[in-house]
Amino acid sequence: QVQLQESGPGLVRPSETLSLTCSVSGDSLSVYYWSWIRQSPGKGLEWIGYSHYSGSTNYNPSLKSRVTVSLDTSSNQFSLKLTSVTAADTAVYYCARGSQTTIFRPSGQSKTYYFDYWGRGALVTVSS
Amino acid sequence: QSVLTQPPSASGTPEQRVTISCSGSSSNIGSNYVNWYQQLPGTAPKLLIYNNNLRPSGVPDRFSGSKSGTSASLAISGLQSDDEADYYCAAWDGGLNGYVFGTGTKVTVL
Repeated sequence: QVQLQESGPGLVRPSETLSLTCSVSGDSLSVYYWSWIRQSPGKGLEWIGYSHYSGSTNYNPSLKSRVTVSLDTSSNQFSLKLTSVTAADTAVYYCARGSQTTIFRPSGQSKTYYFDYWGRGALVTVSS
Repeated sequence: QSVLTQPPSASGTPEQRVTISCSGSSSNIGSNYVNWYQQLPGTAPKLLIYNNNLRPSGVPDRFSGSKSGTSASLAISGLQSDDEADYYCAAWDGGLNGYVFGTGTKVTVL
């Protein structure tokens, strides 16, 4: 049974760096796209980005300049770092396992990407 | 600002059929696969439909997904009180080179 669990500070000061860790059990980080998603209070879901064992990463263009997602295969954990935070970064942060496949057809390519396992989420508040 | 548009709310009585729409564009739904997530109150989202119309193990066949052009739909048949939740569509967007979620639809069982 795959399980993910977020951990990290629940309060971060404005302009500082938000750091979260996701501990994975029941699976290896050497497959899949290990991802972060967030949800501001009372709002919808926002994809933050992913890291893959191959070294590939991809981030939401609106956050790209401030985000790093990295894997630590020795501890079977992956992490999120978001720099220069403001109150707008207050949210519940979810880690998730992502599956991604690109299908090539004569008419072009189609990509599937979805999250089949999620952590319970960690509320991070940005406030002084 | 989400690029996938859903109605804010939908409702039905028990056993009714409810349909939720998701409108996108050629760079997301029009060229990539659509997924649906269910978020029960106070919990993490759960994958409900992937690759347009496939159900993960354990998801009842009351839930079904479809896609046509740049729009997709989620249908819930035999509506139950346990189905009260927020539902989100999502897809890869080749123009943004990122994953986008819909605005979300709150389903209420009357």
